[in-house]
Amino acid sequence: NAGVTQTPKFQVLKTGQSMTLQCAQDMNHEYMSWYRQDPGMGLRLIHYSVGAGITDQGEVPNGYNVSRSTTEDFPLRLLSAAPSQTSVYFCASSYSISPGNEQFFGPGTRLTVL
Amino acid sequence: DQQVKQNSPSLSVQEGRISILNCDYTNSMFDYFLWYKKYPAEGPTFLISISSIKDKNEDGRFTVFLNKSAKHLSLHIVPSQPGDSAVYFCAASARSMYSGGGADGLTFGKGTHLIIQP
Repeated sequence: NAGVTQTPKFQVLKTGQSMTLQCAQDMNHEYMSWYRQDPGMGLRLIHYSVGAGITDQGEVPNGYNVSRSTTEDFPLRLLSAAPSQTSVYFCASSYSISPGNEQFFGPGTRLTVL
Repeated sequence: DQQVKQNSPSLSVQEGRISILNCDYTNSMFDYFLWYKKYPAEGPTFLISISSIKDKNEDGRFTVFLNKSAKHLSLHIVPSQPGDSAVYFCAASARSMYSGGGADGLTFGKGTHLIIQP
């Protein structure tokens, strides 16, 4: 099992550009989510999905879109990148949405917006 | 307003001694608490969790204690080893009416950087 994979590992964008951060998991997990981590901060929830075709907003959803067409994939789209979106992005998945369920995290994508 | 607080940005402990990492929370709806460990350039990895109906959970060298009345939890690592040097995040989850009683994500503290001195 590869677990949770994220691509790319690093990305530099110019203000206004768009891009998609990829996330995939091979554990047949129902629940997937995206977090961002800024320096000196904990991880903050951007969007999450409780199953294919179902997504919802987290704490900091503005400027990001998600979709969940398959169980395995949960891409995060930046529509028009801004310097405030410079961050490290982590994708996570877990077997179910039950509180306390262990979430497995990917290695992260480090994004810089100039 | 921060709902999960880790007030110590860093903690230095001698190898072999006990490491105690603290976490406070403000949201009474949280019913599960989790600790994650993170090495540089890697994603967080799950360490241990505790349900709000318990006051202690133990897994090998790691024990988490929960004091609901004080809205405080702590992670004890005994004995501390060099490989324990990492950032530790406290996280909490609550049942959400918007996801049919499931959790709608984790709320994280800012983390504590644990340094184990040889």
